[in-house]
Amino acid sequence: DAGVIQSPRHEVTEMGQEVTLRCKPISGHNSLFWYRQTMMRGLELLIYFNNNVPIDDSGMPEDRFSAKMPNASFSTLKIQPSEPRDSAVYFCASSLYGVGGANVLTFGAGSRLTVL
Amino acid sequence: AQSVAQPEDQVNVAEGNPLTVKCTYSVSGNPYLFWYVQYPNRGLQFLLKYITGDNLVKGSYGFEAEFNKSQTSFHLKKPSALVSDSALYFCAVYDMRFGAGTRLTVKP
Repeated sequence: DAGVIQSPRHEVTEMGQEVTLRCKPISGHNSLFWYRQTMMRGLELLIYFNNNVPIDDSGMPEDRFSAKMPNASFSTLKIQPSEPRDSAVYFCASSLYGVGGANVLTFGAGSRLTVL
Repeated sequence: AQSVAQPEDQVNVAEGNPLTVKCTYSVSGNPYLFWYVQYPNRGLQFLLKYITGDNLVKGSYGFEAEFNKSQTSFHLKKPSALVSDSALYFCAVYDMRFGAGTRLTVKP
């Protein structure tokens, strides 16, 4: 398996533009997680899906952020409009099971977003 | 609420010396605990986990962690550090929320 695949790896955009980050989880994994990593806040859980259904989106910072998982092999995290403070590395991770057990996450390589 | 805390932002050790990266937890019920490592410009990688049973858990790359219920701790350890162990280390609980991370630097 190729692991968790994220695209783009790097994105530079201007404030106000829409940004879409993409993730392909490991085949057969039933849960998908989106994280944001910054120096100031560390690694924050934004949202996670189980069987394509959003279970906990309490970490999504504001309405400008949205995430979807239309099928088991694809998820998007969208920021509209983007702001400079959204600059961060965004990670996608997948796992066999949902939250609450001895579940191991497999992370993608991340998407580094810079908003000018 | 479940949470972990990593009290040290930075740990420096000399190559060949033992290393410890600290983690304390606050969990109701069974504490499923995890350690992950992040190398530069990479995603996190799983190192080891504690579910139940033996308090000493062995993981990847020679790392181990000791679960201590009375001290609510789950410290990561390695008997002899390598320069290549230099990375960011994260502790996590079962709800997949991570600690702030500890940067380990191993000097030759």
